[in-house]
Amino acid sequence: TQLLEQSPQFLSIQEGENLTVYCNSSSVFSSLQWYRQEPGEGPVLLVTVVTGGEVKKLKRLTFQFGDARKDSSLHITAAQPGDTGLYLCAGASQAGTALIFGKGTTLSVSS
Amino acid sequence: NAGVTQTPKFRVLKTGQSMTLLCAQDMNHEYMYWYRQDPGMGLRLIHYSVGEGTTAKGEVPDGYNVSRLKKQNFLLGLESAAPSQTSVYFCASSYIETGYTGELFFGEGSRLTVL
Repeated sequence: TQLLEQSPQFLSIQEGENLTVYCNSSSVFSSLQWYRQEPGEGPVLLVTVVTGGEVKKLKRLTFQFGDARKDSSLHITAAQPGDTGLYLCAGASQAGTALIFGKGTTLSVSS
Repeated sequence: NAGVTQTPKFRVLKTGQSMTLLCAQDMNHEYMYWYRQDPGMGLRLIHYSVGEGTTAKGEVPDGYNVSRLKKQNFLLGLESAAPSQTSVYFCASSYIETGYTGELFFGEGSRLTVL
């Protein structure tokens, strides 16, 4: 069974701080996605990474896929209250048709 | 531009009652999924479908049944609800197989409470 471990589970920071969320597995994934979910809504895709070592930037968010394609990280620079939400990583195995989700990181940014 | 629509959004059931959650998508997607989300557990796949008339079990299928009679609809049924099925249920669809970097489009969720 493939598992994705996310850390930390909860993160509460002040506006302007930097943070990193980690997503780790003992399994190799063909691709990894990051979703953001706000209360009362479904998750929305932020980014997909597919190549080992790949780095993608989305404004103040930087996503990295590990060289071995077993882990990923999300770094937020100068966090803002609008970044508050649940961040989920999800991996796609090479053989499966469904994404496997991590348990999520709840981020709270206060002004 | 509806995307993925789930009905109902809220429901309270008594133990042993049955109900059906309806998911409809207007994006002509082949793949549809039902997930449940519980605090601290992330999203867990219940059942999924790779096309009209097909269904397959996911990670936590027990106590649920599904049907995909039309391409745009995916129904999730609870035959005899149990308190352990209290959860928020999300339907999602994708254009291509998620194993090939397909993006999941989610509905807004259906909150089910079983007393």
